[in-house]
Amino acid sequence: EIVLTQSPGTLSLSPGERATLSCRASQSVNSNYVAWYQQKPGQAPRLVIFGASFRATGISDRFSGSGSGTDFTLTITRLEPQDFAVYYCQLYGSTPVIFGLGTKLEIK
Amino acid sequence: EVQLVQSGGGLVQPGGSLRLSCAASGFAFSNYAMSWVRQAPGKGLEWVSSISRSGDSTYDADPVKGRFTISRDNSKNTVFLQMNSLRAEDTAVYYCAKDLTTTATTFGNDFWGQGTLVTVSS
Repeated sequence: EIVLTQSPGTLSLSPGERATLSCRASQSVNSNYVAWYQQKPGQAPRLVIFGASFRATGISDRFSGSGSGTDFTLTITRLEPQDFAVYYCQLYGSTPVIFGLGTKLEIK
Repeated sequence: EVQLVQSGGGLVQPGGSLRLSCAASGFAFSNYAMSWVRQAPGKGLEWVSSISRSGDSTYDADPVKGRFTISRDNSKNTVFLQMNSLRAEDTAVYYCAKDLTTTATTFGNDFWGQGTLVTVSS
């Protein structure tokens, strides 16, 4: 079974900075089926990126996704206070659906 | 506006049963596969089960296979998760979620319910 490893576990940055979150798969995957979700405390996850690079409806263009093969990246430019949350990558398209353990983006 | 309103959940003893419901509105429910995803306290997300648009096909994660059953009633725009033989490790917030597309079951999710807590404890 494929494993998704997210790094770093915690990322401490200040508003206005750029965040780079990594998701590495244990074997090559179809980039059409890589997603990123944002989750804030006490809330349901929110889709940010699907198909590795497509922004979900209503997501700011400060969010971008990239990658292929085994390495995927979520980049958030000009961090705003509402961006600080936990981010999960997901491999979908077939079962079992796999999630990474998450990266906590916290305010420095 | 897409809405997924969950009900059910609560405290149940080990070995007990519980049924979760998720009522959908704001989209053509029968055109989308649906899924359940759970999150144990302080932990990450774990896919549980998915069901095709018609309900003819279901998919379950290994930890719940044979114990949980996903189903749907397209006439009532509702998806269900019947949970039997519950264990302490099933304690989690359970989310229902809508599939990304109408063309196939992708198992990706663009809208999520508010979540409902299931606690398995004696």
